[in-house]
Amino acid sequence: RKEVEQDPGPFNVPEGATVAFNCTYSNSASQSFFWYRQDCRKEPKLLMSVYSSGNEDGRFTAQLNRASQYISLLIRDSKLSDSATYLCVAPMFSGGYNKLIFGAGTRLAVHP
Amino acid sequence: DAGVTQSPTHLIKTRGQQVTLRCSPKSGHDTVSWYQQALGQGPQFIFQYYEEEERQRGNFPDRFSGHQFPNYSSELNVNALLLGDSALYLCASSLAGEHYGYTFGSGTRLTVV
Repeated sequence: RKEVEQDPGPFNVPEGATVAFNCTYSNSASQSFFWYRQDCRKEPKLLMSVYSSGNEDGRFTAQLNRASQYISLLIRDSKLSDSATYLCVAPMFSGGYNKLIFGAGTRLAVHP
Repeated sequence: DAGVTQSPTHLIKTRGQQVTLRCSPKSGHDTVSWYQQALGQGPQFIFQYYEEEERQRGNFPDRFSGHQFPNYSSELNVNALLLGDSALYLCASSLAGEHYGYTFGSGTRLTVV
């Protein structure tokens, strides 16, 4: 089983739609999680973090279910500019050091 | 305040050659992590450097090696290049022990022909 798994998509949605992405993780010791956004051929950029049950930032809501080891990202009122790949990320700690483990990403295309 | 700087931005190499990629971390950061991102995949962790030593390593062969300098900058070296090494190589800097303050560079796109 992969450490972080995501539905690869692509998700093709019209402007104004609500879309949800799912992610599962295998390391139950992970305490916090992240959603990164990556535009085509660019570097990943932090979109949201999730430390407890959930986090909301404008049109974006991230939720965490520790019992199911499941994270979700909800985007409401989709904009054309939301078109990108969304990467689910779990930190892993070892020997006092941490590293970020990325999922394969979910591609979103918002059309007019 | 400069972010993470990577060089070169693009590179074309022949199979069997060696390549060195460079990374300057964000000001104030002391830890550098390297990732490989193949087309259509998420970034895969290669290794992490702190205090000039490799602290963690992902599932990559010994052909991949690195170095961190006293000024916290870092190099990634890949020997005996294979076609499968073609990817975007990302450098991320952070503060030791923190997982929420990663800053990524724009990457080096390596093509092996």
